[in-house]
Amino acid sequence: GENVEQHPSTLSVQEGDSAVIKCTYSDSASNYFPWYKQELGKRPQLIIDIRSNVGEKKDQRIAVTLNKTAKHFSLHITETQPEDSAVYFCAAPDGSSNTGKLIFGQGTTLQVKP
Amino acid sequence: NAGVMQNPRHLVRRRGQEARLRCSPMKGHSHVYWYRQLPEEGLKFMVYLQKENIIDESGMPKERFSAEFPKEGPSILRIQQVVRGDSAAYFCATQFRSGTDTQYFGPGTRLTVL
Repeated sequence: GENVEQHPSTLSVQEGDSAVIKCTYSDSASNYFPWYKQELGKRPQLIIDIRSNVGEKKDQRIAVTLNKTAKHFSLHITETQPEDSAVYFCAAPDGSSNTGKLIFGQGTTLQVKP
Repeated sequence: NAGVMQNPRHLVRRRGQEARLRCSPMKGHSHVYWYRQLPEEGLKFMVYLQKENIIDESGMPKERFSAEFPKEGPSILRIQQVVRGDSAAYFCATQFRSGTDTQYFGPGTRLTVL
């Protein structure tokens, strides 16, 4: 089955700086990679996703890159703001089961200091 | 994603009691996933259901846990004879199509076992 590793576990940046979170996956059949943001006590919310037919996707200050050969994908947040502070999770579907269930990384706690 | 409903939002049970968690999918969604999030940890897949069918229950403990998604009404995750280790946030996520369609999360049920 799929295994997803996420780094770093915590990340602290100054407001306005960039933040990068990296994930690796094990199942070469995986073809969909969502990123979720979870604020304290709230539900995970999808912020961006990428499918394996593209190498990069951007949405305003957020971008995701995918390297299928190396089996890793990264979340990039530019011009960070205090409201970006949250826990971010990467995920990949368990390709062996073909059910769409997501395997999540361990999460990255991002703190943006004003 | 505001359309995915879960209730109750908070549930307190004593050891040995039963917990029933409900998930009402977004309109038109017939695929439901349940995930568990232990304190300070990531999301772990438990079970995947379609209407009247359990498709994948590989992440759900064999004992004390059960899930259903009847033809009418919400999906229910049932935990019998709860123990302190069951204390966690339980999220459901729903999607329109199976596979790699976007999963939208509900607000979660925070279960506390005394």
